[in-house]
Amino acid sequence: DARVTQTPRHKVTEMGQEVTMRCQPILGHNTVFWYRQTMMQGLELLAYFRNRAPLDDSGMPKDRFSAEMPDATLATLKIQPSEPRDSAVYFCASGPDRGRNYEQYFGPGTRLTVT
Amino acid sequence: QKEVEQDPGPLSVPEGAIVSLNCTYSNSAFQYFMWYRQYSRKGPELLMYTYSSGNKEDGRFTAQVDKSSKYISLFIRDSQPSDSATYLCAAIKAAGNKLTFGGGTRVLVKP
Repeated sequence: DARVTQTPRHKVTEMGQEVTMRCQPILGHNTVFWYRQTMMQGLELLAYFRNRAPLDDSGMPKDRFSAEMPDATLATLKIQPSEPRDSAVYFCASGPDRGRNYEQYFGPGTRLTVT
Repeated sequence: QKEVEQDPGPLSVPEGAIVSLNCTYSNSAFQYFMWYRQYSRKGPELLMYTYSSGNKEDGRFTAQVDKSSKYISLFIRDSQPSDSATYLCAAIKAAGNKLTFGGGTRVLVKP
């Protein structure tokens, strides 16, 4: 049963701390997306990778957020330092990139609370 | 104004009724239109996609796109309590990378 996995599922941290979220895309998928979901803003794209190369991170606050793909099985999203306004659910999604970027499979999300 | 707008609901219907959901969009460059379903505390899952204008049917679900009016619809026939979820519409350009989502409509199907 191929699915996107994300860890941790829940994270509570204090303002100023570093937060690292991890994602394992579906095997064989070469596009990876990071989204953030809040009640106010809905689902927003933060960053997008194809074949491990970052193609679009325009939705990400550059001063505190960073996204990487150390290898094809791991994508990371880091926030340093974290702020209360970063509290949200962060989703990773992967896709097969057969010219169909609408085909994205989402993980269960990391629910982040920054106090 | 957001590029894809969706009524947040909630939309409450009795079991067996038809659920009618819709979105409007403003970017004429959008070519693919999707509906995602999101259960509480889960990630969104792709239900259906439609290319350009037209209808697409999959079991109890029918998606419609009218590009002339920039209107996207999803109909759920014979609704079940298990259809209770938030439904998100989304759109993407033909060669685009970025899905643009509506805010989602919460649907409650009462037994």
